[in-house]
Amino acid sequence: EDKVVQSPLSLVVHEGDTVTLNCSYEVTNFRSLLWYKQEKKAPTFLFMLTSSGIEKKSGRLSSILDKKELFSILNITATQTGDSAVYLCAVDRIKAAGNKLTFGGGTRVLVKP
Amino acid sequence: DAGVTQSPTHLIKTRGQHVTLRCSPISGHKSVSWYQQVLGQGPQFIFQYYEKEERGRGNFPDRFSARQFPNYSSELNVNALLLGDSALYLCASSLGLVRDSPLHFGNGTRLTVT
Repeated sequence: EDKVVQSPLSLVVHEGDTVTLNCSYEVTNFRSLLWYKQEKKAPTFLFMLTSSGIEKKSGRLSSILDKKELFSILNITATQTGDSAVYLCAVDRIKAAGNKLTFGGGTRVLVKP
Repeated sequence: DAGVTQSPTHLIKTRGQHVTLRCSPISGHKSVSWYQQVLGQGPQFIFQYYEKEERGRGNFPDRFSARQFPNYSSELNVNALLLGDSALYLCASSLGLVRDSPLHFGNGTRLTVT
């Protein structure tokens, strides 16, 4: 059975801190790994990673994938209160049924002023 | 551009009742997927429809059904509601398969079963 595990479950930081979120996975026929940010309701897309070792960046957020060790990290630098959210990691499989993404349980990040 | 829209936003039902949730995808998107998110957990895949055909089904009982209309909007139906069906139901649309474009989620319908 496919498995996606995120750590830590939650963390509290202060504005300006750097945050590193982890996502490990065990899936057959891996295609890609995706990161989403969920503030209140709708998860919003952050990154899609398909190749090992290639960092993707968007502003203060960056992510990288290690297909050998089966994990990804999401970094947030110079955190702001607006970064407070649940960060979800999901994997997509080749030959997966439809658009079936398997999600991890999420990491809840709270950024204090 | 309008994002994925879902209705209603909140719903309270009693055990045994049925419910219909609605979703309108982003204009131009032909694929709609449904996910269930129980409080404190990540979303779980229920269905995907592409070009009005079911393309995938998650591990949910037959009480759950869905369909997609010619305008690509979609309905999720749940019969014989159980307390455990209480969750946030998310609809996501995409141009096609995830490998081509990521899923874009709506704000969801919060279903409470009492």
